[in-house]
Amino acid sequence: DAGVTQSPTHLIKTRGQHVTLRCSPISGHKSVSWYQQVLGQGPQFIFQYYEKEERGRGNFPDRFSARQFPNYSSELNVNALLLGDSALYLCASSFIMGASYTFGSGTRLTVV
Amino acid sequence: QQQVKQSPQSLIVQKGGISIINCAYENTAFDYFPWYQQFPGKGPALLIAIRPDVSEKKEGRFTISFNKSAKQFSLHIMDSQPGDSATYFCAASKTGNTGKLIFGQGTTLQVKP
Repeated sequence: DAGVTQSPTHLIKTRGQHVTLRCSPISGHKSVSWYQQVLGQGPQFIFQYYEKEERGRGNFPDRFSARQFPNYSSELNVNALLLGDSALYLCASSFIMGASYTFGSGTRLTVV
Repeated sequence: QQQVKQSPQSLIVQKGGISIINCAYENTAFDYFPWYQQFPGKGPALLIAIRPDVSEKKEGRFTISFNKSAKQFSLHIMDSQPGDSATYFCAASKTGNTGKLIFGQGTTLQVKP
């Protein structure tokens, strides 16, 4: 059974550019959430989606947006990239919100 | 009120020893407390989790101890092995709400052969 898959695995972007990260949850999981992990720190919550609706948003600027599709896959968009957006972006899926999250391996975003 | 504080920041243990990592939380609404293990270049992997209605949960060499009154919980790794060398994160959440996980700062564990 496939786990949470994220694409791409690595990405290098220039300041001011836009990026789209993609996530496919475990089959049957309707909840997808996104986290940002800066090197040496714990993951920070960005967004929570359940049944294609946004259910929670962390303390991130409006440059960050996301959506969930009818097949429960999700994408995270970041506009006007800053150097400080360089991080590992993690997607997690679960059957219910708030418990038993399974994380993907992440997308390593480097902004230069 | 949303913080989860984790200690120590780093830990060195001899093979066969016991590794102990501690976490403290503030929000009494939290009802789910997982521990994650993360290897370099990988996403966090769920190790073991506990709910506040039990004081201890054991899975293999991994045990969570939970103290609701003190708002603290800890991870014990028995018979630590070099393969356990990784970064460990505690976390907390309120299930069914936004469900967001609040993570601790992480503990880097090194198990020496």
